[in-house]
Amino acid sequence: RKEVEQDPGPFNVPEGATVAFNCTYSNSASQSFFWYRQDCRKEPKLLMSVYSSGNEDGRFTAQLNRASQYISLLIRDSKLSDSATYLCVVNMDSSASKIIFGSGTRLSIRP
Amino acid sequence: NAGVMQNPRHLVRRRGQEARLRCSPMKGHSHVYWYRQLPEEGLKFMVYLQKENIIDESGMPKERFSAEFPKEGPSILRIQQVVRGDSAAYFCASSPRDVYMNTEAFFGQGTRLTVV
Repeated sequence: RKEVEQDPGPFNVPEGATVAFNCTYSNSASQSFFWYRQDCRKEPKLLMSVYSSGNEDGRFTAQLNRASQYISLLIRDSKLSDSATYLCVVNMDSSASKIIFGSGTRLSIRP
Repeated sequence: NAGVMQNPRHLVRRRGQEARLRCSPMKGHSHVYWYRQLPEEGLKFMVYLQKENIIDESGMPKERFSAEFPKEGPSILRIQQVVRGDSAAYFCASSPRDVYMNTEAFFGQGTRLTVV
């Protein structure tokens, strides 16, 4: 089983739709969780951290479910500019080598 | 404040040649991380360096790959005797403190290495 797994997609949804994707992780001792966004052939950029209580940033909501070992990202009122690959990132412990990137979920918003 | 600068952006090498990838971290950042990304895959950790020190190289292949971060100048990822399987995007990230996930890490635009 991969340490961090994501549905690769692609998710193809119309503008204005709500879309959600999950990411599962294998190590129950994992400490920190993040969503990064990566545009085609560009570098990853931090989208948001994921806190235990869940957190929201505008149209984006991130949630953590420790019992089931998954995190989720919800995008409301999707825009064309949301088209990108979303990377789930899990920090297994306090060492840099234990920061694991998922392979990403591709999202395409159509007009 | 310039971001993380990587060069070259694109690098083509023949099998058996050497590839040198450079990374200048953001001003004030003394922690540098190198990642490799194969097509359709996530980023894979390679090495974590601070000035003049390799802190964690557990993700580096045992042979042909080396990294340094000298007191002066950029961090260098060096790949000797490249093979086709080394073709990938290599990203560098920097942070002002260690254990970067407690503070945002900033990525460079990457170097795309193609081995022909």
